[in-house]
Amino acid sequence: RKEVEQDPGPFNVPEGATVAFNCTYSNSASQSFFWYRQDCRKEPKLLMSVYSSGNEDGRFTAQLNRASQYISLLIRDSKLSDSATYLCVVSAYSGAGSYQLTFGKGTKLSVIP
Amino acid sequence: EAQVTQNPRYLITVTGKKLTVTCSQNMNHEYMSWYRQDPGLGLRQIYYSMNVEVTDKGDVPEGYKVSRKEKRNFPLILESPSPNQTSLYFCASSLPPHQGGEQFFGPGTRLTVL
Repeated sequence: RKEVEQDPGPFNVPEGATVAFNCTYSNSASQSFFWYRQDCRKEPKLLMSVYSSGNEDGRFTAQLNRASQYISLLIRDSKLSDSATYLCVVSAYSGAGSYQLTFGKGTKLSVIP
Repeated sequence: EAQVTQNPRYLITVTGKKLTVTCSQNMNHEYMSWYRQDPGLGLRQIYYSMNVEVTDKGDVPEGYKVSRKEKRNFPLILESPSPNQTSLYFCASSLPPHQGGEQFFGPGTRLTVL
């Protein structure tokens, strides 16, 4: 069974803090990696894709370590609006030209004033 | 406006009464999928489709059927719903995942099976 494991959380951090989320995946043939954000009772939305060389988008930095099968997300200078659940997502070839997506269970972040 | 629509948004039904949840996207995406989300279990893929007439089982396909007769539509069918299918369901569409496609999710359908 292909697994994607995340820190269970919840993470309760003060405004302005730096917080890091980790994610490991079991399928070494995984090809694409993403972080999604989900607000309570809402649909998930893409936060950022994760590239092999690592990538940054404002206060958010994502890194990928293929050797260790590990993905991370760093949020700097946390804002109240960052409070949400963060989902790690992995895509892998599933045969016959198809690709399957596997979601981690998510890590809940609460940023406190 | 680019979007994924699902209907109904909320549904309460009884065991054994066949139902269909519709999903439609207007972005000409090849890849579509259905997920269910349950507390403590996260999002789990039910079925996915790489293109018209191509569908594959995800992690939890039992009790569900899908069809992909047109590119824009991907209905989820519960032939004989049971209480363990009470859940929050999301449909999503994207470019093929290996092309790094962002998943666009519908607003969700909250299903209760009594």
